[in-house]
Amino acid sequence: SAVISQKPSRDICQRGTSLTIQCQVDSQVTMMFWYRQQPGQSLTLIATANQGSEATYESGFVIDKFPISRPNLTFSTLTVSNMSPEDSSIYLCSVALWGKGTFFGQGTRLTVV
Amino acid sequence: DQQVKQNSPSLSVQEGRISILNCDYTNSMFDYFLWYKKYPAEGPTFLISISSIKDKNEDGRFTVFLNKSAKHLSLHIVPSQPGDSAVYFCAAQSSGDKLTFGTGTRLAVRP
Repeated sequence: SAVISQKPSRDICQRGTSLTIQCQVDSQVTMMFWYRQQPGQSLTLIATANQGSEATYESGFVIDKFPISRPNLTFSTLTVSNMSPEDSSIYLCSVALWGKGTFFGQGTRLTVV
Repeated sequence: DQQVKQNSPSLSVQEGRISILNCDYTNSMFDYFLWYKKYPAEGPTFLISISSIKDKNEDGRFTVFLNKSAKHLSLHIVPSQPGDSAVYFCAAQSSGDKLTFGTGTRLAVRP
């Protein structure tokens, strides 16, 4: 499996500000994913981040709101921009290891006030 | 449109008995199915998976059954233990490694 470190683990932010979440993996991976889990709901894929190319966003998510960086094969960041209370969620980084499955970080619990 | 559904939001089982968690899907392109367990304040952890070419996969106390014609899968935990209390997510995958998750079932195992 992969060891995935996600920072911060939680934060409380003022509306209108931005938060950048970091995801560090202990091995080189091609595909990294960012998910959101809103209260009482399932995990929803925000975007797929491959190193060396633009992130691919799912329907309902846009780059201006959730810019993603993928500077190398072990690291990615997700920024939640111009936050509103509706952005209060758990944000999860995950990686796919070929033949072994998909693994998750511990998540970032974001509360926007 | 919810492509992966877990219709039971919660389940309570006595310790030592069997827990059965169910999951239905609508997309026939899904060819790989996974179960994740999630404790509060932690990310989901992989539990067990099954390929669409199989109808059963077993790993210790955990068994996953797949009925492709019914587009249904289930996770059996036997015997259930208090440490199994968590939220269980069913997930499905087609090409591209993208996972589609169900809404989760909260399992409570009573001592």
